[in-house]
Amino acid sequence: DSGVTQTPKHLITATGQRVTLRCSPRSGDLSVYWYQQSLDQGLQFLIQYYNGEERAKGNILERFSAQQFPDLHSELNLSSLELGDSALYFCASSVEQGYGYTFGSGTRLTVV
Amino acid sequence: DAKTTQPTSMDCAEGRAANLPCNHSTISENEYVYWYRQIHSQGPQYIIHGLKNNETNEMASLIITEDRKSSTLILPHATLRDTAVYYCIVSSSNTGKLIFGQGTTLQVKP
Repeated sequence: DSGVTQTPKHLITATGQRVTLRCSPRSGDLSVYWYQQSLDQGLQFLIQYYNGEERAKGNILERFSAQQFPDLHSELNLSSLELGDSALYFCASSVEQGYGYTFGSGTRLTVV
Repeated sequence: DAKTTQPTSMDCAEGRAANLPCNHSTISENEYVYWYRQIHSQGPQYIIHGLKNNETNEMASLIITEDRKSSTLILPHATLRDTAVYYCIVSSSNTGKLIFGQGTTLQVKP
C-alpha cells in the first residue's frame, strides 16, 4: 500500500457519460498529480494541484476537469466520454514540488 | 525540462547486475535525475533520484557522470520481480511535474 488511495479501481461506463475519479494523497502530501495511461500513449501528465491551487497543466482535454479540496483529496471529472478515453488514470502525491512522487494503484476506466 | 533518451529494451540474467543507461545531454544545473519503474499495469514506483553525486538506497544505485549528461541505474542483483519498464526523468524542483517518456523495458531472465 503506497498510501495514495484511488477509487474506484475499475469503472465501466457508456459513451457520453460523466464520471468522477477520486484520489486521497499520502498523509502530509500537499501536491496531487493526475496522469492518464492508454495503450498507445504511455503516461501522460494531465494536471497538478498544490494545496488546493492548480499549479501545472499538461495534455488535459477541455472535457476533463479536476480540483483539490481543503482536506487535500482530489477529484478528476471526465465528461462527454469517448471510447478513446478508456485508460488507466493514476494519481500521485508528493510533499512539495520537486520531490519524488508516490503513485496510487490507478483507476481503470473502460468506455463502451 | 530536459529530454532523456533510453534504450527501448534490455535483458538481464537473474542474479546479475542490471545497468540501465540514460542520456540527458541538455540537463540544466538545477534539474534532478529521477528513476521510476512500472511493473505491468501497477502505479509507477519511485526508485531513486540525484542531482550531482552518486546515490544508493536499498533498491538501486544511481551513477551520474561528472558532466551530468548521462546516468546509469544499477540494480545490483536483478530478480524476476525486477522485470518492468524503467523510466529516467529529468525535472527541476521549480516545475514539480514529471514527464514520462517511453522508458526501457527490462526483462530479467532465469
